[in-house]
Amino acid sequence: NAGVTQTPKFQVLKTGQSMTLQCAQDMNHNSMYWYRQDPGMGLRLIYYSASEGTTDKGEVPNGYNVSRLNKREFSLRLESAAPSQTSVYFCASSEFPTGNKNTEAFFGQGTRLTVV
Amino acid sequence: KQEVTQIPAALSVPEGENLVLNCSFTDSAIYNLQWFRQDPGKGLTSLLLIQSSQREQTSGRLNASLDKSSGRSTLYIAASQPGDSATYLCAVSISSGSARQLTFGSGTQLTVLP
Repeated sequence: NAGVTQTPKFQVLKTGQSMTLQCAQDMNHNSMYWYRQDPGMGLRLIYYSASEGTTDKGEVPNGYNVSRLNKREFSLRLESAAPSQTSVYFCASSEFPTGNKNTEAFFGQGTRLTVV
Repeated sequence: KQEVTQIPAALSVPEGENLVLNCSFTDSAIYNLQWFRQDPGKGLTSLLLIQSSQREQTSGRLNASLDKSSGRSTLYIAASQPGDSATYLCAVSISSGSARQLTFGSGTQLTVLP
């Protein structure tokens, strides 16, 4: 079972460069998320997509854009990378919550991004 | 704004000990609470999910409890092993429009000494 797959696993960018982080899930989940993890700060939500065709800002959206390409894929784009965006980025997915149904979140292995 | 706190930030115990990790949250309006394990340089692995209506959940040597009214959860690990060494994260699920978001604590870094 692949689950949630992220590419690339590692990336070094120069300040001002752009790049797109890719995420795909094979669990037929409706909801997908992008988080960043910084030392001592836990994970913070950047953007999420409740279902195909919708995207919304999370806690720290500045400097990022997202695209929900289809039900499987959710990409995160850095238009002009800054050193403050050096972090580990995680993609996650879950079933669309309906009523009182509780949904477990599944995470990818992360992308370690360094901006110099 | 929901805030999640995990204490202690780091814990070192000898092999075989039973231990408790703590998680507290400020807003009791949660849908569920999830405990994760993260190994160095790796992603997050879900350990236990406790629904807001439940008091505890068990999986093998792990037992998680939830007291929503007091905003607390504990993760109990029985007979700890060196392989349990990792960072343990708790996260609460809150409503955000049509989706559910996870708000994370900063984690407890556990080291089990052989």
